[in-house]
Amino acid sequence: GENVEQHPSTLSVQEGDSAVIKCTYSDSASNYFPWYKQELGKRPQLIIDIRSNVGEKKDQRIAVTLNKTAKHFSLHITETQPEDSAVYFCAASFSSNDYKLSFGAGTTVTVRA
Amino acid sequence: DGGITQSPKYLFRKEGQNVTLSCEQNLNHDAMYWYRQDPGQGLRLIYYSQIVNDFQKGDIAEGYSVSREKKESFPLTVTSAQKNPTAFYLCASSNQGGGTEAFFGQGTRLTVV
Repeated sequence: GENVEQHPSTLSVQEGDSAVIKCTYSDSASNYFPWYKQELGKRPQLIIDIRSNVGEKKDQRIAVTLNKTAKHFSLHITETQPEDSAVYFCAASFSSNDYKLSFGAGTTVTVRA
Repeated sequence: DGGITQSPKYLFRKEGQNVTLSCEQNLNHDAMYWYRQDPGQGLRLIYYSQIVNDFQKGDIAEGYSVSREKKESFPLTVTSAQKNPTAFYLCASSNQGGGTEAFFGQGTRLTVV
């Protein structure tokens, strides 16, 4: 089955700096890679996703890149703000005939003012 | 508010007792999931279901059971066979399974006393 590894487990950045979180996956058949943000005491919510036919996707200060050959994908947050402080999870799935959605262990991001 | 509801929010169980966590969605989603969240271990998949009357084991199914008798409902039973049941449990649903956004419930915190 799919195994998703996520690094680092914690990340502290100065406000205004960039944050990068990296994930690797094991199943080369995986073709959907979402990122979720979980604020303290709240449910995880999707912030951005990418499919295997795309190498990069941006949404304002957030971007995700995918390297299918190396089987890794990354989340980039630019110009970090205090409200970016949260736990971020990457995930991977193979959407054709198996709905299993596997998550990484999470990264706790702290933005220092 | 996302259309997926878990109840109760907090649950206390005595050792040796079975307990059932409720998950209901009104999003008309086909796929539903149960995850366990422990500090530092991310979201670990317990069970998932793609259609009514069908479900598959996830990565940590031992000591848990589920049913999917209705499209909108996916209850999780934590049995006495689960050795370390104290955790935060999250239910999720998605429209077409692994290739689309998963919506999470607000979670149930189970404590064994």
